[in-house]
Amino acid sequence: SYVLTQPPSVSVAPGKTARITCEGNNIGSKNVHWYQQKPGQAPVMVIYYDSDRPSGIPERFSGSNSGRTATLIISGVEAGDEADYYCQVWDSSGDHPVFGGGTKVTVI
Amino acid sequence: ELQLVESGGGLVQPGGSLRLSCAASGFTFSTYWMSWVRQAPGKGLEWVANIKQDGSEIYYVDSVKGRFTISRDNAKNSLSLQMNSLRAEDTAVYYCARGSHPYCTSTSCYEFSAFDIWGQGTMVTVSS
Repeated sequence: SYVLTQPPSVSVAPGKTARITCEGNNIGSKNVHWYQQKPGQAPVMVIYYDSDRPSGIPERFSGSNSGRTATLIISGVEAGDEADYYCQVWDSSGDHPVFGGGTKVTVI
Repeated sequence: ELQLVESGGGLVQPGGSLRLSCAASGFTFSTYWMSWVRQAPGKGLEWVANIKQDGSEIYYVDSVKGRFTISRDNAKNSLSLQMNSLRAEDTAVYYCARGSHPYCTSTSCYEFSAFDIWGQGTMVTVSS
């Protein structure tokens, strides 16, 4: 089964840039999606197909994907961006979606 | 408004059964793959099951095969998850989610690869 590895936590100061990585074998050949989950709430898609933003998601959220690492980038971080972030891909060998373990972003 | 609303969660003893429901509104339910995704307390997201638009294809995570059954009623815009032989490790918030974003590899194409709409979740606790 395909494995996605995320750092457990990332800390960032307000106004700075947060980079959340998601590592997987040849992940650059897959489409990566990202979800934001605030405490007590359902996940919300913030990036799809590596770098596209759903309607309503601020331009501060962007993504990249190459080689073994996909990255979610949050520019000009705000206090409201504190949340858990999950990467997700489709595991074509098992025909099912796979999630990373999640990264807790703390705005310090 | 696009909406998914889950119901049916609760406290159940190990070995017991529970049926979750998800009511969809604001979109043409019958044209989308649908899924259940769960999240154990303090843990990450775990995909549980998928069902094709007409119910002709169904997939489960290995840990629930033979115990859980996903189904849908397109006339009622409703998704269900029948959970039998429940275990303590099934304790989680269960989310209903809509499949989206087709994906193709060099050899295969899939009608969805992501989840663009999620319900608010329903809590299932398996404990004696």
